Amino acid sequence: AQSVTQLGSHVSVSEGALVLLRCNYSSSVPPYLFWYVQYPNQGLQLLLKYTSAATLVKGINGFEAEFKKSETSFHLTKPSAHMSDAAEYFCAVSLKAAGNKLTFGGGTRVLVKP
Amino acid sequence: NAGVTQTPKFQVLKTGQSMTLQCAQDMNHEYMSWYRQDPGMGLRLIHYSVGAGITDQGEVPNGYNVSRSTTEDFPLRLLSAAPSQTSVYFCASSEWQGALTEAFFGQGTRLTVV
Repeated sequence: AQSVTQLGSHVSVSEGALVLLRCNYSSSVPPYLFWYVQYPNQGLQLLLKYTSAATLVKGINGFEAEFKKSETSFHLTKPSAHMSDAAEYFCAVSLKAAGNKLTFGGGTRVLVKP
Repeated sequence: NAGVTQTPKFQVLKTGQSMTLQCAQDMNHEYMSWYRQDPGMGLRLIHYSVGAGITDQGEVPNGYNVSRSTTEDFPLRLLSAAPSQTSVYFCASSEWQGALTEAFFGQGTRLTVV
């Protein structure tokens, strides 16, 4: 069965500092991988996705993520945090063998300090 | 473009009551799904549908029913509400091409069962 682990339920960063959110997946074959963002009182919005093309994926709002098969990881980064990046971030995985259903990690809430 | 519309946004139920959460999408997407979001647990799949007339269970289906009579609508029914069903519910839709593409989420329904 596929699973996703996000290290750290809360992350606090200073404005202008690097944002690093960690995601590890468990799967016997490379899955499709996604990062979603949820702003307060809203639904989820896709940030970026990995679907077996380039291992470094660029998304919206300056975020990017790198797929590392050897580490079964898909960490999300942004070089310089903005106040508007305060939100909850979810890593998700889907496998063709599992009917392409999305499985989400527990989420990481990002706080940006001025 | 409305995207995915969920109603109601908020609901309070008494234990044992039943209700239907509505979800409609105007993007002609084949794949629709329902998730519940609980703190620290990410989103968990309740039920999903790959097209009109076809539904299947997700990770946490007990206590919920769904139907898909049209491409646009995918209502979620709570048969006899329990306090354990207090949660935020999200409906999502995506294109179905043999692999998941971007999932579009509604704004959510915050349900409290007392």
